[in-house]
Amino acid sequence: DVKVTQSSRYLVKRTGEKVFLECVQDMDHENMFWYRQDPGLGLRLIYFSYDVKMKEKGDIPEGYSVSREKKERFSLILESASTNQTSMYLCASSLRTGAERGNEKLFFGSGTQLSVL
Amino acid sequence: AQKITQTQPGMFVQEKEAVTLDCTYDTSDQSYGLFWYKQPSSGEMIFLIYQGSYDEQNATEGRYSLNFQKARKSANLVISASQLGDSAMYFCAMKNGRGFQKLVFGTGTRLLVSP
Repeated sequence: DVKVTQSSRYLVKRTGEKVFLECVQDMDHENMFWYRQDPGLGLRLIYFSYDVKMKEKGDIPEGYSVSREKKERFSLILESASTNQTSMYLCASSLRTGAERGNEKLFFGSGTQLSVL
Repeated sequence: AQKITQTQPGMFVQEKEAVTLDCTYDTSDQSYGLFWYKQPSSGEMIFLIYQGSYDEQNATEGRYSLNFQKARKSANLVISASQLGDSAMYFCAMKNGRGFQKLVFGTGTRLLVSP
């Protein structure tokens, strides 16, 4: 059974703390993604990675960084957490086929609800 | 830029009835794909159905079908014979034909199925 695992389901941090959100996939997928989900805004892409040590900014990268040292692991880092980063964070992965079109769906983890106080 | 619009924040349906969740999209790409995901209260996003821009037939997956109207740029999800377990958030998403399968999501529709 394919799986994307996020290390924490709930996390509470203080303003200014450095926060690490970890994501591991066991499907040998090349692509990995970090989204944040907020009510009324849907899912917004923070960063994605298409290979080890490669990363690309998504739509809302400010205040975040990422690390992909191994193919199966993609970490999201909040260098100095702020209250406006309180949100649900979703990690996802997918195959990279190189095809111009295809139905390569994203597989998602269960999410991490982060509260920054 | 790509954009997905879901205009229905919430929908109600009675068990065993059919329901349509609306989705319109905007893109200048000729090649793109459209997805629907379900998110139950557990939080995990579950893939439901996919439609490619070049697919001539509407996609179907069991009780889910996608009413794809390319000229109107709409990709509505139809759920037939609703079940209580269908109560969830539903997201429409799109990827273009280039790049690394980034998905752009709509704001979602919360579906409530009543007995």
